[in-house]
Amino acid sequence: DAKTTQPPSMDCAEGRAANLPCNHSTISGNEYVYWYRQIHSQGPQYIIHGLKNNETNEMASLIITEDRKSSTLILPHATLRDTAVYYCIVRRSSGGYQKVTFGTGTKLQVIP
Amino acid sequence: DAGITQSPRYKITETGRQVTLMCHQTWSHSYMFWYRQDLGHGLRLIYYSAAADITDKGEVPDGYVVSRSKTENFPLTLESATRSQTSVYFCASSESGLFANVLTFGAGSRLTVL
Repeated sequence: DAKTTQPPSMDCAEGRAANLPCNHSTISGNEYVYWYRQIHSQGPQYIIHGLKNNETNEMASLIITEDRKSSTLILPHATLRDTAVYYCIVRRSSGGYQKVTFGTGTKLQVIP
Repeated sequence: DAGITQSPRYKITETGRQVTLMCHQTWSHSYMFWYRQDLGHGLRLIYYSAAADITDKGEVPDGYVVSRSKTENFPLTLESATRSQTSVYFCASSESGLFANVLTFGAGSRLTVL
């Protein structure tokens, strides 16, 4: 399985875009990038996933580099409620479930 | 209500006691999972199930037992609780196929073993 590397923590001013990076240099051609977040004391929440094209939903945008070795999760207008730990995970999307291992993620602090 | 629910939300028990944490989902998702979360270790997979009567070990299965007689329920039992099993436990579920790795988590069960 491709491993991911994320910075342990980041700050972002409220109302500004939060850009959370993830390196996955050993990603395989059939592996997707998934993002989850965990707000304090709550269960993790799925945000978005993608293969190679940029993806956007109501929560965030996912930008994957052309070589697919890294990606960035973008929260366009961060609010205080976006303060959370963000996890980047790489998994195949076919062949059913693979054991999803959550690392320590990036702790995002949104500052008023 | 639709969703995934865990019970109890909070539990205090003593060393050596048996404890069962319940997990119920209303989507008929094929997959269900149990994770534990401790400071310094992040989320660690205990057990998962691909369907009724099919279960498999995760990273940290020792000391835990699971069963899945019905698709919607996935109880986790600590047969003889130890202090090291003090943790927050999260249950999750996912569909089969393309969204098998899109997990929906419950609110968690905080277990304290004295």
